[in-house]
Amino acid sequence: GQQLNQSPQSMFIQEGEDVSMNCTSSSIFNTWLWYKQDPGEGPVLLIALYKAGELTSNGRLTAQFGITRKDSFLNISASIPSDVGIYFCAGTRGSTLGRLYFGRGTQLTVWP
Amino acid sequence: DAGVIQSPRHEVTEMGQEVTLRCKPISGHDYLFWYRQTMMRGLELLIYFNNNVPIDDSGMPEDRFSAKMPNASFSTLKIQPSEPRDSAVYFCASRISGREPPTDTQYFGPGTRLTVL
Repeated sequence: GQQLNQSPQSMFIQEGEDVSMNCTSSSIFNTWLWYKQDPGEGPVLLIALYKAGELTSNGRLTAQFGITRKDSFLNISASIPSDVGIYFCAGTRGSTLGRLYFGRGTQLTVWP
Repeated sequence: DAGVIQSPRHEVTEMGQEVTLRCKPISGHDYLFWYRQTMMRGLELLIYFNNNVPIDDSGMPEDRFSAKMPNASFSTLKIQPSEPRDSAVYFCASRISGREPPTDTQYFGPGTRLTVL
């Protein structure tokens, strides 16, 4: 079953606004990943985080690996219409080599 | 480079029929994953392979589902007999291990949208 709690479930924002979403777990994760899924496509990796406390940027996207290793957040600055989609957090645990655990996703809608 | 390839992209079938979904992972990747995505349950891991060997099939819903990986470049997910509740988007993903820095990145295919009438 799902081990990651992702919030919010959906967001409706205006173009130009900043966006923040997060993921939490009761378990420690070794890796945090953030994916985006466009309609009719498979999820595509946005950012990967490998160390507790790590802060990584990819253009307008910034993500952090929580210091407790139980959470992560993703920020999108100055949103644009093409940011629309579903954003998933995912993580790996040392006890289950190779497997990714996914959050339920955040549906982002951007109004022009 | 070609990504993960899945076929067919869409499948419409009638209840009781056998359905076979196909996946070609990225060349050189040693892990292959099958997922199912629905509105109600989100992304669910069904089964995954490492070096063509099934590692964890605990996500397979029931005996009607089976998956095989006869070689490093091909995998199938079969549903027999299919039921309307199997309607979903099925994704295949692959990854490579043993890289520095460590990577857990999975690369997803475009998915197969299955509709069982």
